[in-house]
Amino acid sequence: EAQVTQNPRYLITVTGKKLTVTCSQNMNHEYMSWYRQDPGLGLRQIYYSMNVEVTDKGDVPEGYKVSRKEKRNFPLILESPSPNQTSLYFCASRPGGAGMGQYFGPGTRLLVL
Amino acid sequence: AQSVTQLGSHVSVSEGALVLLRCNYSSSVPPYLFWYVQYPNQGLQLLLKYTTGATLVKGINGFEAEFKKSETSFHLTKPSAHMSDAAEYFCAVRRRGGSQGNLIFGKGTKLSVKP
Repeated sequence: EAQVTQNPRYLITVTGKKLTVTCSQNMNHEYMSWYRQDPGLGLRQIYYSMNVEVTDKGDVPEGYKVSRKEKRNFPLILESPSPNQTSLYFCASRPGGAGMGQYFGPGTRLLVL
Repeated sequence: AQSVTQLGSHVSVSEGALVLLRCNYSSSVPPYLFWYVQYPNQGLQLLLKYTTGATLVKGINGFEAEFKKSETSFHLTKPSAHMSDAAEYFCAVRRRGGSQGNLIFGKGTKLSVKP
């Protein structure tokens, strides 16, 4: 089954404790992205990747890191989480071609205390 | 810079009534346009998209949208609402040219369907 998977689905952590949210897709897609969703703000893009070892900032990259060492994986790293990073995070992937729609993962709900 | 405006954070309709969700974009060049739906506690799912060609686009679940360049709009419609349409709907744009990785979403419109 074609899908985007994220782990963990739920995470509670404390300020400053490094964490990684994993994202994997099995569709051989070139593009992958991370978004955060906050009430009243919709989805905002954090980072995206056009292919292995090629990444670029989205609209809200501060406090986040990403890497794309393999085509199927695109982890999101919070090196020193803060409470304002409490949010619902989505990973997405799509084939090449700017007119293509994205496939979204199920989301990771993060609470930073 | 591109932006997307969705008019109305909440829309309520009766079952069987017309659904109209509004989306306007601001861009000097018409972008690629998308509508996504998010059901409670789920990720987003692509409803439909406009890339080029015919300006009336049909999507899944009976939804359609019309691209109107003169109005910089891409409103989503469905002739007859069903209870299962209750969800949050997001309009999104991606610019043409450049890295093509950046996707900008509107703030979303929550659709309620009354029996």
